[in-house]
Amino acid sequence: EIVLTQSPATLSLSPGERATLSCRASQSVSSYLAWYQHRPGQAPRLLIYDASNRATGVPARFSGGGSGTDFTLTVSSLEPEDFAVYYCQQRNNWPFTFGPGTKVDIK
Amino acid sequence: QVLVVQSGAEVKKPGASVKVSCKASGYTFNSYAFSWVRQAPGQGLEWMGWISAFNGNTNYAQNFQARVTMTTDTSTSTAYMELRSLRSDDTAVYYCAREPLVFGSGMDVWGQGTTVTVSS
Repeated sequence: EIVLTQSPATLSLSPGERATLSCRASQSVSSYLAWYQHRPGQAPRLLIYDASNRATGVPARFSGGGSGTDFTLTVSSLEPEDFAVYYCQQRNNWPFTFGPGTKVDIK
Repeated sequence: QVLVVQSGAEVKKPGASVKVSCKASGYTFNSYAFSWVRQAPGQGLEWMGWISAFNGNTNYAQNFQARVTMTTDTSTSTAYMELRSLRSDDTAVYYCAREPLVFGSGMDVWGQGTTVTVSS
């Protein structure tokens, strides 16, 4: 099973600041990595698939990069609605594991 | 409008089974697959398994292999997840999510979640 590690566990930032989240895989997942946003009381939302492709309707301030074992999600300028938990998920090998999540909270 | 609507909350006793449904609309049901994901209180997301609505092929996480069955009914555009031999640590919100039948991609349409509480 591929293990995903996310860092940091918590990121405390102010609106307007840039957020950079990391996801590292225990072995290569090629470019088959997705990112999800999860707000309390809501269903998760797909942000990025195949490492760098924004899902339909996702604002351009969200971008993804990386390949192999190291990936990043960047939010260029945080909006109030962006404070949430972010999960990466590898989709290269069964089972499709999730990382433990990074909580982005308001500083 | 593409929608996935899940069945309502359930309360079960330890040892019982639960079957959660996920009704899809607004797209061609058998052109996609479904993953099931759960979140226990205070925990992260846990992937449980996947089923193709095209041919019924499944892939389950090892943690659930012995206790879970995922099915689809193309006549009603509904996916189902049955979890047996419930324990208190199965208390969680269970989500279904649609995903394209292509390698990679992601879960692009999610149900609203179904709360399953296991308590004696």
